[in-house]
Amino acid sequence: DGGITQSPKYLFRKEGQNVTLSCEQNLNHDAMYWYRQDPGQGLRLIYYSQIVNDFQKGDIAEGYSVSREKKESFPLTVTSAQKNPTAFYLCASTVTSGFTDTQYFGPGTRLTVL
Amino acid sequence: ELKVEQNPLFLSMQEGKNYTIYCNYSTTSDRLYWYRQDPGKSLESLFVLLSNGAVKQEGRLMASLDTKARLSTLHITAAVHDLSATYFCAVDIRYSGGGADGLTFGKGTHLIIQP
Repeated sequence: DGGITQSPKYLFRKEGQNVTLSCEQNLNHDAMYWYRQDPGQGLRLIYYSQIVNDFQKGDIAEGYSVSREKKESFPLTVTSAQKNPTAFYLCASTVTSGFTDTQYFGPGTRLTVL
Repeated sequence: ELKVEQNPLFLSMQEGKNYTIYCNYSTTSDRLYWYRQDPGKSLESLFVLLSNGAVKQEGRLMASLDTKARLSTLHITAAVHDLSATYFCAVDIRYSGGGADGLTFGKGTHLIIQP
């Protein structure tokens, strides 16, 4: 089955810890994205990557870092510098060419700071 | 800065009724998306609207786009309980000279359809 997988589904972090959220896609999509969703809110863009070894900050990149060493993978690290990391994190991917591309979303990771 | 506003943010309606959700955005764009989210779940793509006057329909849902008014609507016809969810619109400005990638989302419309 083609799709986007995220792991873990639930993640608990202690204050001061860095944690890494996994995102993998086998859709052969070029572009990948990380969004954050807070309760009752829309999604906000954290980082995006259009090609391997390149990524750009989104609207709320502070306290987060990413890498894109492989086309299929775009992990997100939530660092201790992120003061309020409790949220639902969604990874998405799309093709970068073509006029009918749609962003497809993974199942999400719910991060809670203890 | 692109702003996307949805209204209403909360809607409770009875089965069988019709209603419309509105999505206004502040910057030129000819690409708009509608997504559905069930509680605790990810987003499911409903519609992609790519040009002025675009209209798409799937079952009891119909979406339209007016790029001149910077307005999209999601119309629900003869609502049924299964359509209860949160609906998001999202705007893509990559192809309108906006430069930045990624979607800008509205806050969502929480829709409850009561029997």
